[in-house]
Amino acid sequence: ELKVEQNPLFLSMQEGKNYTIYCNYSTTSDRLYWYRQDPGKSLESLFVLLSNGAVKQEGRLMASLDTKARLSTLHITAAVHDLSATYFCAVDMDSNYQLIWGAGTKLIIKP
Amino acid sequence: NAGVMQNPRHLVRRRGQEARLRCSPMKGHSHVYWYRQLPEEGLKFMVYLQKENIIDESGMPKERFSAEFPKEGPSILRIQQVVRGDSAAYFCASSPNYNSPLHFGNGTRLTVT
Repeated sequence: ELKVEQNPLFLSMQEGKNYTIYCNYSTTSDRLYWYRQDPGKSLESLFVLLSNGAVKQEGRLMASLDTKARLSTLHITAAVHDLSATYFCAVDMDSNYQLIWGAGTKLIIKP
Repeated sequence: NAGVMQNPRHLVRRRGQEARLRCSPMKGHSHVYWYRQLPEEGLKFMVYLQKENIIDESGMPKERFSAEFPKEGPSILRIQQVVRGDSAAYFCASSPNYNSPLHFGNGTRLTVT
């Protein structure tokens, strides 16, 4: 059974600091996704990582994938308050919709 | 181009009532997916539909839950005789074809009292 584990599940940090969220999964997978969810809102796609060693960056967020270690990281650089949200990673086996989701990391960035 | 539209945003039902959740996919999208999210958890896949057809309902409970996506109109997720455990956020997503990235709606938050 494919399992996806995120850690930490909760993170409170100060603006300007750097931090990393980790996503481990238990079996081989073709694709890994990172999503952002604001309270009471939908999920916004951040990154799709397709291959070993893939690295994608958007603003202060950078995601990477190591398929051999079955690990993806989401790195936040010089955090700002607007990045406060819950971040999910999700992994698929054969299809884009049968995603297995992590429990989410709730990120609070204090001014 | 409007995104995926779900309504209602919030729905309160008493135990035993029926809940009907609607989802209008993005224009040009004929593939619709329903997910359930419990508090503090990620999404769980329920059902995948393409116009008038159920493609995959492996994540849907066998009883009380049904979904449709008619030729005209929105996709409907129907929950009969709701119980407290059905309280959750239900998200709909759509895509233009199989294996394309999903676009999510804002969800319907169902509360069963």
